[in-house]
Amino acid sequence: DAGITQSPRHKVTETGTPVTLRCHQTENHRYMYWYRQDPGHGLRLIHYSYGVKDTDKGEVSDGYSVSRSKTEDFLLTLESATSSQTSVYFCAIWGTGYNEQFFGPGTRLTVL
Amino acid sequence: ELKVEQNPLFLSMQEGKNYTIYCNYSTTSDRLYWYRQDPGKSLESLFVLLSNGAVKQEGRLMASLDTKARLSTLHITAAVHDLSATYFCAVATFYNTDKLIFGTGTRLQVFP
Repeated sequence: DAGITQSPRHKVTETGTPVTLRCHQTENHRYMYWYRQDPGHGLRLIHYSYGVKDTDKGEVSDGYSVSRSKTEDFLLTLESATSSQTSVYFCAIWGTGYNEQFFGPGTRLTVL
Repeated sequence: ELKVEQNPLFLSMQEGKNYTIYCNYSTTSDRLYWYRQDPGKSLESLFVLLSNGAVKQEGRLMASLDTKARLSTLHITAAVHDLSATYFCAVATFYNTDKLIFGTGTRLQVFP
């Protein structure tokens, strides 16, 4: 299994507070991805990174920002959390030969 | 814009029966992936299909790909309770971003 960890695994916060989720990989992969999962929507791409300091938007990027200062870490920030951002967030990287995308264990975020 | 549609969204089936999950996508793609997700867990890779006519089988699950029809199927043979999970198809776009676009998922429940 690919070495991907996410922290925290669970978080409850209040509307308007900033939140940062961390994804850490030990595989030295160039590409990293953040998805959110909501019932009826499958997984939707928020942002992705194709190298240190190189990031781009996905299909649901509004209200989120990302940073990647090291190959192994990809941070997702909600500058001012809203209830619509209550979701499960997954980080992912590609495996060798693009035979599969490996997913982290997920972070369950609740915004009250 | 690449879109991926899965159906049915929910499938309740009796043990021992056969059924098929369908995955349609809207534009040319390099690869198609199938994932399984158990409740509260992360995604687990099942299959990657690389070319027209590709067929992969693992136990009671068989996946196939028809690139001309832009259709993949996941066939379940003689279902057992352990197959109860949510199944996602995902299509890759490798033109410049290596992104995966996911279907909405099919929640499968197998009952005695």
